[in-house]
Formats: sequence, structure tokens, C-alpha cells
Amino acid sequence: DAGVTQSPTHLIKTRGQQVTLRCSPKSGHDTVSWYQQALGQGPQFIFQYYEEEERQRGNFPDRFSGHQFPNYSSELNVNALLLGDSALYLCASSLVTGETQYFGPGTRLLVL
Amino acid sequence: AQSVTQLDSQVPVFEEAPVELRCNYSSSVPPYLFWYVQYPNQGLQLLLKYTSAATLVKGINGFEAEFKKSETSFHLTKPSAHMSDAAEYFCAVRKPNTGNQFYFGTGTSLTVIP
Repeated sequence: DAGVTQSPTHLIKTRGQQVTLRCSPKSGHDTVSWYQQALGQGPQFIFQYYEEEERQRGNFPDRFSGHQFPNYSSELNVNALLLGDSALYLCASSLVTGETQYFGPGTRLLVL
Repeated sequence: AQSVTQLDSQVPVFEEAPVELRCNYSSSVPPYLFWYVQYPNQGLQLLLKYTSAATLVKGINGFEAEFKKSETSFHLTKPSAHMSDAAEYFCAVRKPNTGNQFYFGTGTSLTVIP
């Protein structure tokens, strides 16, 4: 039973570019959440997707957008990248009725 | 508002000494509380969770935590530290009744000294 998977593992972009990160949830899970973890900080909630819709959103600008597909996988898109967007991006999956989130290994994004 | 505070950014312990990592939460309603561990260059692994059942919760790798409502605390403990316990530990609270959004503390780096 595969856990949460994310791709790519590492990514380097320049300011102003756009990036897409991908996540496949744990088998049987229907909800995907995305978090940003800056160096030396705890993860910060970006948004959550369920039934292909954004269900909740944290305090992030509209440059951050997402999508969930019918197979429950998800994408995180960031437009007009800033240096401050450099971070580890974590995907977490869960059941909409469940209380626990399970995390993937993350994608480390470096913006130059 | 709902949040967690991890009081120590770094905790050094000797191998085989007891470990305590502190976490305090603020919540207007009984929360769900979690401890996660993060090894270098990896994601978060669930250690244990409190979901309003037993106040003393046992997790993986010999860790446990006790929910103390009167102290609004959920400290993580282990009787004897191993070298393999060296990692970053995060306390998290789930915001109730509004989905599954988690709020994380800033983390505690556990160093185990041989």
C-alpha cells in the first residue's frame, strides 16, 4: 500500500516563473491538503481539496492555486514566483471524515 | 484563534536519558492534537494523536504524550533516548468543525548526545 507520493523531489526556478507540484494521496483517501514549510519553520496550511473543489484556504495569495482530479490526486500551482516562495512543499492526505493527515516526502522548491 | 506553542526550539539529551518535548495549545473547544517527527530531508511522520479518548496516548518508537486540559499542554515524552531519535519534532492542532486544517508549532530539534 503506497503512502503519499509527491513529484518532483527538487525543483529550481527563477523569479517570475510558474511551477506545478504534484501529489498522489494514500490509497483510499479522498482529501488532499498542501502546506508550505519554510526553512526552520513549521508547516503552514495553504489549502485543502475535496471532491475536486477547494474546501479551505489558509493565508496565501491568489498566486497559489490548486486542482484535484477525479482520482483524488492533486496539483499545486504557484505563479509569479518570488524568492520567498523557496520552501519545502508538503502534501497531506486524509479521509474527509478522518482526523489524521498523512504526509508525503515533500518537494523542495528553490527560487533564484 | 487556535494555535500551538513549542516552548523549546532545541533540546539536547544524552543517550538513554529521558526526553520531554513541550507543547502548549490554545483552543476554545477540545482540540485534536498530534505529534509528528521529521527526519532530515524527509516529510512528516505521525508519532501519536489525541482525539478526546484516553488522555495518555502511546505512539510509535516508545514515545507517549499526556493531554492535560488544566495546563493546556500535550508534552511528548520518552523514557530513554536513542541516537535514532535525533530529528525535528512538531506539535500540531486540528481546527475542529471546519474541515481538517492543521496548525503546526515551530518545531523542536532533538539532539541526542552519545
